[in-house]
Amino acid sequence: EPEVTQTPSHQVTQMGQEVILRCVPISNHLYFYWYRQILGQKVEFLVSFYNNEISEKSEIFDDQFSVERPDGSNFTLKIRSTKLEDSAMYFCASSPSTSVYGYTFGSGTRLTVV
Amino acid sequence: RKEVEQDPGPFNVPEGATVAFNCTYSNSASQSFFWYRQDCRKEPKLLMSVYSSGNEDGRFTAQLNRASQYISLLIRDSKLSDSATYLCVVLSPGYSTLTFGKGTMLLVSP
Repeated sequence: EPEVTQTPSHQVTQMGQEVILRCVPISNHLYFYWYRQILGQKVEFLVSFYNNEISEKSEIFDDQFSVERPDGSNFTLKIRSTKLEDSAMYFCASSPSTSVYGYTFGSGTRLTVV
Repeated sequence: RKEVEQDPGPFNVPEGATVAFNCTYSNSASQSFFWYRQDCRKEPKLLMSVYSSGNEDGRFTAQLNRASQYISLLIRDSKLSDSATYLCVVLSPGYSTLTFGKGTMLLVSP
């Protein structure tokens, strides 16, 4: 079964550093997303990406964050100048359409900011 | 972005019990509703969609009441493997983004 692959599975970074979280979506999917889940909290939408541009973003996704699809396979989330409160599980997802069917989450990257 | 509210839980039940989860959503324009399952520190996985007519998948039954903006999930004959957090999820109208409830944890004991 096709899957969304995220690397690394766990990243520890010092406050103020920049981190890049990487995702390889399912190859024939067209829509890409990042969500985050702070420990003990709900899963929150960050950003959606389609046709090489951001299609929607939440209020969480401020200038500290950026996304990129640098080649035909990777989809990255960059967090600049990390803060303690950025510590969370970050999930990448992809889907073939705007329906939830086929919407597949990666296993996540646990980001710990110290 | 409007909210999705769920029972806080946790629900502790013995094997074989029937358990029901409730959820309300605030955006009346929402069209698509789902239950996801999340195991500890894992990604959410789609359990089932929720239709107005009600739908069943084995031991799981989901129901939607659009007038009350209420969604439910019933699990019959609980198994130890059903222990997880159950997430009520709404697809944003006009977009492909998901709004999650905080989830209700279910613990099934022998």
